[in-house]
Amino acid sequence: ELKVEQNPLFLSMQEGKNYTIYCNYSTTSDRLYWYRQDPGKSLESLFVLLSNGAVKQEGRLMASLDTKARLSTLHITAAVHDLSATYFCAAPVTYTGNQFYFGTGTSLTVIP
Amino acid sequence: DVKVTQSSRYLVKRTGEKVFLECVQDMDHENMFWYRQDPGLGLRLIYFSYDVKMKEKGDIPEGYSVSREKKERFSLILESASTNQTSMYLCASSPTTLSLHFGNGTRLTVT
Repeated sequence: ELKVEQNPLFLSMQEGKNYTIYCNYSTTSDRLYWYRQDPGKSLESLFVLLSNGAVKQEGRLMASLDTKARLSTLHITAAVHDLSATYFCAAPVTYTGNQFYFGTGTSLTVIP
Repeated sequence: DVKVTQSSRYLVKRTGEKVFLECVQDMDHENMFWYRQDPGLGLRLIYFSYDVKMKEKGDIPEGYSVSREKKERFSLILESASTNQTSMYLCASSPTTLSLHFGNGTRLTVT
């Protein structure tokens, strides 16, 4: 079974600070996905990383993928309150390609 | 824009009732999924389907069944609801191995 682990599980950070969320996965998945979930809402796709070394950026968020280390990072630059949400990473099972395993999520709170 | 619609936002059922959760997508996606989300456990896959009438068990299929009679519709069935099935249920679809598109979720309470 593919395992996907995120850390930290909870993150409280001040506005303007930088931080990184880590996502480790246990098998040789060649792609990785990041989602955002606001309280009481569903999941929204943030990034799709499709190959080793892939880097994607959107505003203050940047995601990268190292398939050899089985590690993806989500870096937050100069955090603002609007980024407060829960962030999930997900990896597909390679041999089926259409079964996704999710991490337990990182609950981010940005405080003024 | 892909739209994944779950029929109910909130549902309250009694123990032992048969419960149907419906999900419809409008983008002709092959793959559809049912997850449940619980605090501290993240999202866990219940069942998925990669074609009409095809289904595969996920990690926690016990107590659930699914139906996919048409490509756009994927139903989750709780044959006899129990209190430990109180949860947020999320339906998703995807065309291939690209990203999942989620519905708004159904918060089910079983009393």
